[in-house]
Amino acid sequence: DVKVTQSSRYLVKRTGEKVFLECVQDMDHENMFWYRQDPGLGLRLIYFSYDVKMKEKGDIPEGYSVSREKKERFSLILESASTNQTSMYLCAILGRRGEKLFFGSGTQLSVL
Amino acid sequence: AQSVAQPEDQVNVAEGNPLTVKCTYSVSGNPYLFWYVQYPNRGLQFLLKYITGDNLVKGSYGFEAEFNKSQTSFHLKKPSALVSDSALYFCADGSGTYKYIFGTGTRLKVLA
Repeated sequence: DVKVTQSSRYLVKRTGEKVFLECVQDMDHENMFWYRQDPGLGLRLIYFSYDVKMKEKGDIPEGYSVSREKKERFSLILESASTNQTSMYLCAILGRRGEKLFFGSGTQLSVL
Repeated sequence: AQSVAQPEDQVNVAEGNPLTVKCTYSVSGNPYLFWYVQYPNRGLQFLLKYITGDNLVKGSYGFEAEFNKSQTSFHLKKPSALVSDSALYFCADGSGTYKYIFGTGTRLKVLA
């Protein structure tokens, strides 16, 4: 089975802090994604990466950046956390046949 | 603009009764439609997909979905609901390159 691991289940940070959210996959997949999930808004794509050092903006990239130095790891960075970035963050990878997504368990981030 | 709509925020159904969770889509070209389920404190899990072929698609945990091109719908169904089916359900279209479009989610509550 595909395994997508997000390093933290819950995270509490202060406004202005730099925040790193890590995602690791164990199946050598090219395509990785970061979403945020908010009630009533569903999932919104922040950034995705289709290979090492390659990244593309999603629908809501403002306030975020990403890093993919190794194929198995895709990091989401909040350069200066703000309260409106309090959310559930979900990492996902696209399956080999380019069809379904496999998700990590999510990181619930609270910015105080 | 391409979109996926889930018109109901919440669906309540008695255990043992049939359930339906509604989804409509608006995409250019042929849709690739998915249903995902999210249990509390977990990431999303794949339930079923429609790419092509039979309009009635069977998936995990006894769920099925019917693709209706004329009504642009992809409703999720189950003949007999279980309390353990209570969760958040997302409909999505994956026909765009790297870009999934998710609905806003429907919370299903199955009452004992």
